[in-house]
Amino acid sequence: DSGVTQTPKHLITATGQRVTLRCSPRSGDLSVYWYQQSLDQGLQFLIQYYNGEERAKGNILERFSAQQFPDLHSELNLSSLELGDSALYFCASSPGGSRQFFGPGTRLTVL
Amino acid sequence: AQSVTQPDIHITVSEGASLELRCNYSYGATPYLFWYVQSPGQGLQLLLKYFSGDTLVQGIKGFEAEFKRSQSSFNLRKPSVHWSDAAEYFCAVGLAGGTSYGKLTFGQGTILTVHP
Repeated sequence: DSGVTQTPKHLITATGQRVTLRCSPRSGDLSVYWYQQSLDQGLQFLIQYYNGEERAKGNILERFSAQQFPDLHSELNLSSLELGDSALYFCASSPGGSRQFFGPGTRLTVL
Repeated sequence: AQSVTQPDIHITVSEGASLELRCNYSYGATPYLFWYVQSPGQGLQLLLKYFSGDTLVQGIKGFEAEFKRSQSSFNLRKPSVHWSDAAEYFCAVGLAGGTSYGKLTFGQGTILTVHP
């Protein structure tokens, strides 16, 4: 158990819908990262937050957004969902540096 | 931009045999290097990491990896594989600074199958 929690574990929704994925980092970790794992793209970095502020952006679509709240939990919002958005979404937290602790992931299925 | 290549998509070994998973990276400076393991339906677990210093690093579960700057490689090894090692293994590169500090770039992964 990494100490990072993600909810929900599974999510099934339809095209065009909007979903919110939630991540609670390890106690004391200020950095939160979001990654997407899909069969065709592999594991890709989406976005990083540090203490409530966006720190870095990767291959994140404009339909996706994220935020980190004062209690340090983070949410990833995915809107206008397409079939290709079906993937495993991981959250990771870090106390600093490059060492990251990954959550169990949220499996999103878009039908 | 940095990149990570894992040339072997799938490797099959017999239990008790030795294992080497290959990883090559492309980056302008010495990056931070990681190996993660993902069991089916699970998250990613860190096996080991290299930041600096001794180029042979020891990790959990009996794994080790060697950083070779001249070859831009960071291969993962285990002298004797156990059936429980069957999983997918990811090599990753982390940036040492700048605005993308901490961001990880992953290879495509190598699926390890272990035969009894």
